[in-house]
Amino acid sequence: DSGVTQTPKHLITATGQRVTLRCSPRSGDLSVYWYQQSLDQGLQFLIHYYNGEERAKGNILERFSAQQFPDLHSELNLSSLELGDSALYFCASSPGDPGELFFGEGSRLTVL
Amino acid sequence: AQSVTQPDIHITVSEGASLELRCNYSYGATPYLFWYVQSPGQGLQLLLKYFSGDTLVQGIKGFEAEFKRSQSSFNLRKPSVHWSDAAEYFCAVVIYNTDKLIFGTGTRLQVFP
Repeated sequence: DSGVTQTPKHLITATGQRVTLRCSPRSGDLSVYWYQQSLDQGLQFLIHYYNGEERAKGNILERFSAQQFPDLHSELNLSSLELGDSALYFCASSPGDPGELFFGEGSRLTVL
Repeated sequence: AQSVTQPDIHITVSEGASLELRCNYSYGATPYLFWYVQSPGQGLQLLLKYFSGDTLVQGIKGFEAEFKRSQSSFNLRKPSVHWSDAAEYFCAVVIYNTDKLIFGTGTRLQVFP
């Protein structure tokens, strides 16, 4: 158990819909990262937040947005969903050492 | 651009055999390099890391990796593989002057009894 909690574990929805994925980081970790894992794209870095502020953006679509709240939990919002958005979305937290991430078990999104 | 390449998509070994998973990096300076493992249905777990210093680094679960600047490589090794090592292994690099951790495409390890 990494200490990072992601909900929901599985989500099935239809094209055009909007979903929110939630992440609770390990106690004390200020950094939260979001990654997308799919068969064709592999593990793609989406976005990084540190103590409520956006620190870095990766290959995140404009239809996607994220935020980190004062209690340090984070949400990833995916809107106008397309079939190609079906993937495993991981959240990871870090105590601050570069590259040392603790991953949740992921949220599997299926868009039908 | 800084990146890591894992040339082997799938590797099969027998239990008890030695293992080496390849990783090549593209980077100007000394990179921060990592190996992560993803067991089926699980998130990723850090196996080991290299920042500087001793080029042979030890990790968890009996894994080690060697940084070779001359070959731009950071290969993961284990002297004797156990069936529970079957998983996907990812090499990763931190992009210089950022906190971005970029992953390779992964190597799936299958272990036969």
